[in-house]
Amino acid sequence: AQSVTQLDSHVSVSEGTPVLLRCNYSSSYSPSLFWYVQHPNKGLQLLLKYTSAATLVKGINGFEAEFKKSETSFHLTKPSAHMSDAAEYFCVVSSNDKLIFGTGTRLQVFP
Amino acid sequence: GAGVSQSPSNKVTEKGKDVELRCDPISGHTALYWYRQSLGQGLEFLIYFQGNSAPDKSGLPSDRFSAERTGGSVSTLTIQRTQQEDSAVYLCASTLGRGADTGELFFGEGSRLTVL
Repeated sequence: AQSVTQLDSHVSVSEGTPVLLRCNYSSSYSPSLFWYVQHPNKGLQLLLKYTSAATLVKGINGFEAEFKKSETSFHLTKPSAHMSDAAEYFCVVSSNDKLIFGTGTRLQVFP
Repeated sequence: GAGVSQSPSNKVTEKGKDVELRCDPISGHTALYWYRQSLGQGLEFLIYFQGNSAPDKSGLPSDRFSAERTGGSVSTLTIQRTQQEDSAVYLCASTLGRGADTGELFFGEGSRLTVL
């Protein structure tokens, strides 16, 4: 069965510094992987997706993620954090017609 | 409306009562999903509809939980004899085709259930 593990439940960064949110996946075949974002009191929104076309995937709001098969990782990065990036981020894998969500990483951004 | 609509947004009930949660998907979306989000536990898959059929209801926690979808549109999640551990935010999402292929599910803002 496919699954994802988010390695940090909380990440805190200063505004203008890089963001790294870590995700490892477990899959018996080449997976479809996604990152979703949930801002406070807002619905979940797709940030980016990997479906084997290119290993470096660019998403909205300057985020990107790199699929590394050798490390079974799909970490989310952004070069420079903005206050508006504060939210909960979920790493997601596709499995049998449904999406399996990780436990989430709460990103705090300090001025 | 333009997005997925869920009602009620907030529901407080007493242990043992039944509750119904409603989801209006985006018009034309054939696939509909229910998830549960508990504090500190991420999103838990409950059930998936393709049209009016539920190919996967493996995530329903117990036989107190049921869901139906009529007319390929509105869905209702029913929880009978609610327990305190049912307290959570129940999220509905819809998409065209098979959501697992594209990964793009459109989520509602959820129904927050509190069981006293």
